[in-house]
Amino acid sequence: DAKTTQPPSMDCAEGRAANLPCNHSTISGNEYVYWYRQIHSQGPQYIIHGLKNNETNEMASLIITEDRKSSTLILPHATLRDTAVYYCIVRAGGSQGNLIFGKGTKLSVKP
Amino acid sequence: DTAVSQTPKYLVTQMGNDKSIKCEQNLGHDTMYWYKQDSKKFLKIMFSYNNKELIINETVPNRFSPKSPDKAHLNLHINSLELGDSAVYFCASSPHSPNEQFFGPGTRLTVL
Repeated sequence: DAKTTQPPSMDCAEGRAANLPCNHSTISGNEYVYWYRQIHSQGPQYIIHGLKNNETNEMASLIITEDRKSSTLILPHATLRDTAVYYCIVRAGGSQGNLIFGKGTKLSVKP
Repeated sequence: DTAVSQTPKYLVTQMGNDKSIKCEQNLGHDTMYWYKQDSKKFLKIMFSYNNKELIINETVPNRFSPKSPDKAHLNLHINSLELGDSAVYFCASSPHSPNEQFFGPGTRLTVL
C-alpha cells in the first residue's frame, strides 16, 4: 500500500471549512484514498473514500487531484465535535486487507 | 443498537496473567479485526478473521491468539501478559468487500 504524508496538526475556527491535505505520490492505479478520524478515546470512524472522482457525503467532501498524487478532505462547517485526529489511508479497494494508519493530522476546532 | 461492542472497557491486571477481551458485531459482517494502539497513539493491525480463517497476522507474539466462536464474535486471548502489552485494543468489522471498517469503542489494558 502506498504511503501518505499529512501535516501533524491544524487549527480551524468553528463554523469555517476545514481543509485537510494528504500527499500520496506513490499511489497506484487500483488504490483508493480513505479517510478515517479518531475522536479522543473513541474508535476510529470512517468518513469517506474515493478513487479518482471527487466524492461527497453527509460528513465531508473528498477532492482528489487529477494525477491522484494528493487529496484534500473538506469539512464544510467545522464544529467543536470535529476535533479529532484525521487519517488519510491509501489501499486497494475491495481488498480484505487491514488499514495501515499513519500519524494523521490533529485537527483542533476552536470557538 | 451498538454495531461493534467490546468487553471489558477497562482491564487492569498483573504481569504474567492470562486475560481475554471479547468483541461482538451485529452487522452481519464477514471479516473482523483486532488493532492495537500504543501509548504513542499508533494504530496497528494485529489480526483479521474472515469466515473463521485467519487471513492476516502481523508478526504479533504468539502469546496473543484470536478465537472466533462464530461469525459475530472475535475474542482476543493474551497469555503471560507483559508490561509492553499495555495499550488500547480496538476490534473492528467489515463486509465482504470492505470499503468501510466499523470500530468498537476500545479496551484499555493496563499491565502492572
